[in-house]
Amino acid sequence: DIQMTQSPSALSASVGDRVTITCRASQNINSWLAWYQQKPGERPKLLMYDASRLSNGVPSRFSGSESGTEFTLTISSLQPDDFATYYCQQYNSYLWTFGQGTKVEIK
Amino acid sequence: QVQLVQSGPEVKKPGESVKVSCQASGGTFKTFSFSWVRQVPGQGLEWLGGMIPLFGTPNVAQSFQGRLTITADQSTSTFYMELTSLRSDDSAIYFCARASVPTTVNTFLRFWGQGTQVTVSS
Repeated sequence: DIQMTQSPSALSASVGDRVTITCRASQNINSWLAWYQQKPGERPKLLMYDASRLSNGVPSRFSGSESGTEFTLTISSLQPDDFATYYCQQYNSYLWTFGQGTKVEIK
Repeated sequence: QVQLVQSGPEVKKPGESVKVSCQASGGTFKTFSFSWVRQVPGQGLEWLGGMIPLFGTPNVAQSFQGRLTITADQSTSTFYMELTSLRSDDSAIYFCARASVPTTVNTFLRFWGQGTQVTVSS
């Protein structure tokens, strides 16, 4: 199975901060990567797909990039609604896997 | 608008089996990949397995092979999972989710069910 190593596991940030979350794949996944946001008690919500494409209705402060097997989710200016847990997921091979998650907390 | 409605909470004893359903509405059922994802309280998301009903062959994560059966009923647009030999660490919320692009496994999960709480306790 492809392993997805996500970091950090948690971070504290303030409103307005730039936040970066990283996900590293154990092998080439050909940009087949999605990012999800999940708030407590809610189902996950798709944020980005194909590494850098924004899902419908997601604010433009979210962006995604890739370099080889390393993928990055960036929030350019953290807003109160962004405090949540974020997961990456690869869909390169049909044994999909998620990263361990990054909890973004209020500093 | 695609909606996924899951069956209600379950309480089971260790060693028993549980079957969870997910009824889809909106869109074509048989051509999209459906998945089961679980979340143990306080932990992350774990992909269990999935299938494209049109092709009929499920893919199951290695950790669950032999214990997890995934099926689909095209006549009712319902997706199922059955997990056997339940243990206490199987207590979790189980989500079904549907992919965005048809007839491919290289696609992300755009639509999610509300989740089904499964509790395993003696």
